Amino acid sequence: GAVVSQHPSRVICKSGTSVKIECRSLDFQATTMFWYRQFPKQSLMLMATSNEGSKATYEQGIEKDKFLINHASLTLSTLTVTSAHPEDSSFYICSASALFETSPYTDTQYFGPGTRLTVL
Amino acid sequence: KQEVTQIPAALSVPEGENLVLNCSFTDSAIYNLQWFRQDPGKGLTSLLLIQSSQREQTSGRLNASLDKSSGRSTLYIAASQPGDSATYLCAVRGIYNFNKFYFGSGTKLNVKP
Repeated sequence: GAVVSQHPSRVICKSGTSVKIECRSLDFQATTMFWYRQFPKQSLMLMATSNEGSKATYEQGIEKDKFLINHASLTLSTLTVTSAHPEDSSFYICSASALFETSPYTDTQYFGPGTRLTVL
Repeated sequence: KQEVTQIPAALSVPEGENLVLNCSFTDSAIYNLQWFRQDPGKGLTSLLLIQSSQREQTSGRLNASLDKSSGRSTLYIAASQPGDSATYLCAVRGIYNFNKFYFGSGTKLNVKP
């Protein structure tokens, strides 16, 4: 149980285009989802915290207008990289924190498999 | 601000060896500490989670210890196998914002057959 999926797993796009990445909790409900970015040979850095039905909270240095986050349901959050540029090329990983009342999974976050974004 | 450091950055050992990975953190006010495994181009797999009140956790050949007061954790891998080759990340969550993970930069482990 406690599976998080991401789609797509890999995307290559031209500079200036927008890319949407989906994060889904498959067998549990998640009020909170998190978006991380990982550059080569570096660790994961939290970009934003996404709460169902409300605006996302962005970490310092992350532009909210560039990285649009929508958490429309308890099982889906999306990250849209708008007007992507080569410096946005990275590995994007989401995680989900379970809603206690609807699942036995507490006290940890479950990570998706990641999305490799390459901007040409 | 919490800073997490992992030493060594890379480690190469022959199959069968026991090994220790180290993680240190600067702020001892943590909610818990978690060890993850990351395979190349893949997401994270949780290995062990230690609550702040615990001293260690074990799962199979893995044993993780936590010394909160000194800001240290170790991951012990017994009888290493080539399949253990991966990057190991430790992450802590603070008591003031337990939803936020602070990750170390990882130890890349290579177990040679």
